[in-house]
Amino acid sequence: QLQLQESGPGLVTPSETLSLTCAVSGGSISSYYWNWIRQAPGKGLEWIGHVFHIGTTSYNPSLKSRVSISVDTSRNLFSLRVMSVTAADTAVYYCARGGSSSGWYRLDHWGQGALVTVSS
Amino acid sequence: SSELTQDPSVSVALGQTVSLTCRGDSLRNYDAHWYQQKPGQAPLLVFSGKNRRPSGIPDRISGSTSGNTATLTITGAQAEDEADYYCNSRDSSSDHVIFGGGTKLTVL
Repeated sequence: QLQLQESGPGLVTPSETLSLTCAVSGGSISSYYWNWIRQAPGKGLEWIGHVFHIGTTSYNPSLKSRVSISVDTSRNLFSLRVMSVTAADTAVYYCARGGSSSGWYRLDHWGQGALVTVSS
Repeated sequence: SSELTQDPSVSVALGQTVSLTCRGDSLRNYDAHWYQQKPGQAPLLVFSGKNRRPSGIPDRISGSTSGNTATLTITGAQAEDEADYYCNSRDSSSDHVIFGGGTKLTVL
């Protein structure tokens, strides 16, 4: 059974960098797309970006200038960095697996989510 | 960039049938996928593309697409179906994932 688990600080200071890791267990990180999605309190889902197992990335244009996603296949995990955070970046951050090939935007496995609060 | 539009809220009487819609130009060429999210939980994929229901999802949940509109139908809605439902697809001209704004389903 594939499982994803987010980890990282729950509190980040404004203007600093938010860093989260998603550990993948019960399956290989190879051959799939690995996504970060966030949900601000009381709001809908916002796609942040994804990384393919070989390291190629794609980002939401609204966040592209501040976001970086990377993958570590040797450790079966992938990571998110959001730079210069503000209170508007406060959200639950989810990692999720996208399908392979033409199903890359079908998000079939999700982590439980990690609440990140941006505050001084 | 492409957008997906969902009704903000829908209600259904217990045991009745309800249809949730998702509209967007990208759906003319690409699949829509549907997610159920209950309070405090992560989204759960409940229907995929034209006819794919993940293991463990009850068969009262089904999906279809016509033109630019994808529809998720719940036949005989149960109390446990009360949740937020999101559709997603891909942008027509890039490798970006897009989400609809979500529909809050209330079972009366």
